[in-house]
Formats: sequence, structure tokens, C-alpha cells
Amino acid sequence: GQNIDQPTEMTATEGAIVQINCTYQTSGFNGLFWYQQHAGEAPTFLSYNVLDGLEEKGRFSSFLSRSKGYSYLLLKELQMKDSASYLCAVMDSNYQLIWGAGTKLIIKP
Amino acid sequence: TAGITQAPTSQILAAGRSMTLRCTQDMRHNAMYWYRQDLGLGLRLIHYSNTAGTTGKGEVPDGYSVSRANTDDFPLTLASAVPSQTSVYFCASSSGPTMDEQFFGPGTRLTVL
Repeated sequence: GQNIDQPTEMTATEGAIVQINCTYQTSGFNGLFWYQQHAGEAPTFLSYNVLDGLEEKGRFSSFLSRSKGYSYLLLKELQMKDSASYLCAVMDSNYQLIWGAGTKLIIKP
Repeated sequence: TAGITQAPTSQILAAGRSMTLRCTQDMRHNAMYWYRQDLGLGLRLIHYSNTAGTTGKGEVPDGYSVSRANTDDFPLTLASAVPSQTSVYFCASSSGPTMDEQFFGPGTRLTVL
């Protein structure tokens, strides 16, 4: 079967750095997405990786290793507004997104 | 631009009743999707449409139907609601059906009693 694993919840301090991991087993691979979802709101796109390596976008970076079935989202200089759930999703061989359950990130002052 | 709109925002529905959740996008995207989101689970694809006039089944299609008569609208119908269909429903769209990011509507919170 297809599976996306990510931690259920993480806590970090304002101004610090946090890394959210995602491991996947899917039938085929056409890229990995990270989305942010604030409570009660819709998911919004953060990043897309299809090749191995690090993609940097401001305070957020995303890393992919296809051979290990592994990705992480790195958030730097954490702000209170970064408190949200972070969703990892893999596009499979049918171009359908398989979603993880999300990681709830709690930022403490 | 509005992006994607969904209606209603929330609804309480008696079991056995039918209901249509509406979704409209103004981005001229070809592909549209319906997901449900339940606590502790990832988003699950119900139905999708790669282009106007075509639809396909996702991971959890039973009990739901869709139509795509034009580019902008993608309604989701529950013919006879059951309590297990209590969920938050998100409509999404993307420029194409492949590696493009998906844009999500604000969601419809549905409770079936």
C-alpha cells in the first residue's frame, strides 16, 4: 500500500529552527509537496521537490532524497504565525496526491 | 480574483438526505479535485476531473458523485448521506493534472446526523 509518515506534533521556540520529517512509500513518484494549513483554514502550497537536494525559499527550505524515500521541511527564524499543521504529499504514478496526516507545529514564545 | 469558492460553509444534514456541495473557480484551471479531511487522517481524494467533461474516481468515491459540465464548476453530490460522511470537504484546482500545485477552497464542514 501507499504510506506517508510524519510526526503528529512538534513544539519549538520562537526564533529557533525546526525540521519536520516525512517518509514515504508510494507506487511511483512524481514529486513531493509541502503545504501549510492553519487551524480551520485551507491548505496552502509551500514547496515542491522532484529532484534530490535542497530547495530554499526564504525562511523555508525543503529537502528530498528519492533513494531513501525521505523529505524534510526546515523552518528558520520561527515566528508565532508559523504555528500550523504542515502536510507532506507525494504525487504517485497516476498523478494523484497521497497525503500524510500532517504535523501540528506549536510555537512557544 | 476570488480563486476558489465553496458553498455552503457548513451544513448539518439528516441521514438519508441528499446534498450538493458547490465549488467554483475563476482561475481557468483544467483540473479540479474533491477531498475530505478527517481528524488524524491525511486528505483523501474523493473524485477528480482532469478537464471539463471528464471525471475520475479517487481513493474514497463510494457514496459521492461529481459532474464537470464546464471549466469553472465542480459540484459534489451525496445521494443519501450517512454519518460516516461527516467531515470537512475541500475543493481544489490546478492548472494541469500533473505536477502543478493545487489551490484549495475554504472548505465545507458537513455534519450528518
